Amino acid sequence: DTGVSQNPRHKITKRGQNVTFRCDPISEHNRLYWYRQTLGQGPEFLTYFQNEAQLEKSRLLSDRFSAERPKGSFSTLEIQRTEQGDSAMYLCASSLRGSDYGYTFGSGTRLTVV
Amino acid sequence: KQEVTQIPAALSVPEGENLVLNCSFTDSAIYNLQWFRQDPGKGLTSLLLIQSSQREQTSGRLNASLDKSSGRSTLYIAASQPGDSATYLCAVDNAGNMLTFGGGTRLMVKP
Repeated sequence: DTGVSQNPRHKITKRGQNVTFRCDPISEHNRLYWYRQTLGQGPEFLTYFQNEAQLEKSRLLSDRFSAERPKGSFSTLEIQRTEQGDSAMYLCASSLRGSDYGYTFGSGTRLTVV
Repeated sequence: KQEVTQIPAALSVPEGENLVLNCSFTDSAIYNLQWFRQDPGKGLTSLLLIQSSQREQTSGRLNASLDKSSGRSTLYIAASQPGDSATYLCAVDNAGNMLTFGGGTRLMVKP
């Protein structure tokens, strides 16, 4: 297993465009999380899935954001009508519920909205 | 709502020095606490995980302690090296559902 994989690594988009990011978790992990990190800050929780069910969403996740995890495998995070304030690093993590091994993070997707 | 604070925000030390990074949290009912390292523009690498029932964990030159009652954790780095230069993030898991992160400590180890 190669860990948590995120694609693309970098994305530059014009304001108003839609973007989609993908996360492939560690295969045996049943939980998948999305976080957002702006420059100089710690990551902030956006949402998480247990298998295919989205169990919690942060108030940071406006109606322009949507996340899916079909069949409980990979996940996608879509941002519609991007704004400059959406520029950030989007991090994905996975874990095994009830395990003692904590969270494993991917390398992130850096979004720049111009 | 859990709040996590890391002090100092930035630290610069000469190579070879032992150092301590601090993390405090407001809600002591935690599931576990995890320390991460982040290099510029990169993702997070897990360093140490301390379960709520544990007092400390060690890995190589790193030692993390946890005092739940006072809402504090420290990360001790022995004999620091330039390769240790990075941002160190403390994160608390309250209910096994999500991590709450501190703002991080940016460490620079000068040769």
